[in-house]
Amino acid sequence: DGGITQSPKYLFRKEGQNVTLSCEQNLNHDAMYWYRQDPGQGLRLIYYSQIVNDFQKGDIAEGYSVSREKKESFPLTVTSAQKNPTAFYLCASRLAGNFGYTFGSGTRLTVV
Amino acid sequence: SQELEQSPQSLIVQEGKNLTINCTSSKTLYGLYWYKQKYGEGLIFLMMLQKGGEEKSHEKITAKLDEKKQQSSLHITASQPSHAGIYLCGADTIYDKIIFGKGTRLHILP
Repeated sequence: DGGITQSPKYLFRKEGQNVTLSCEQNLNHDAMYWYRQDPGQGLRLIYYSQIVNDFQKGDIAEGYSVSREKKESFPLTVTSAQKNPTAFYLCASRLAGNFGYTFGSGTRLTVV
Repeated sequence: SQELEQSPQSLIVQEGKNLTINCTSSKTLYGLYWYKQKYGEGLIFLMMLQKGGEEKSHEKITAKLDEKKQQSSLHITASQPSHAGIYLCGADTIYDKIIFGKGTRLHILP
């Protein structure tokens, strides 16, 4: 079955460490997105990519980095520069044009 | 920049009652999406509306987009415990990305 997979589901990180969240899709979607969700804040866009080897900053890109070396994969690295990384992270993908997103099941990152 | 405001922020209803969630945009909507999220999980696509006056239904959930395309409503008839969760509206922007409202938390009392 086609879908979008995020791993791991739960992640714990020590302060000062970088951590990478995985996002893989087999839907042949062109565009991929990373959102952060905090209580009462809704979804905020971190980075997005419309084609391989290209990506754009979203509204809250500081302290994050991404790569898009393959169409199927869009990993997100949370760097030590991100001051408040504890959050729920959602990856999504869509076909080009006005189609809704397909979302992964999310990764909950906690800094300890 | 475009913003979406959802109301109410939180809703508690008795099982079997009807309810409505609203989503208002600061700009004309060209694509409006409704999603549902179970706590701690990903978002599930419910419906997409594009035309002014459009109305779509799926099981007991009906979504409408007003004629001016600046407001959408989501109506649930005869609510059930399975309807509990967070409902989010999203809107297309010109940058090939969707912006979201802050969500409405729905609790169903048995």
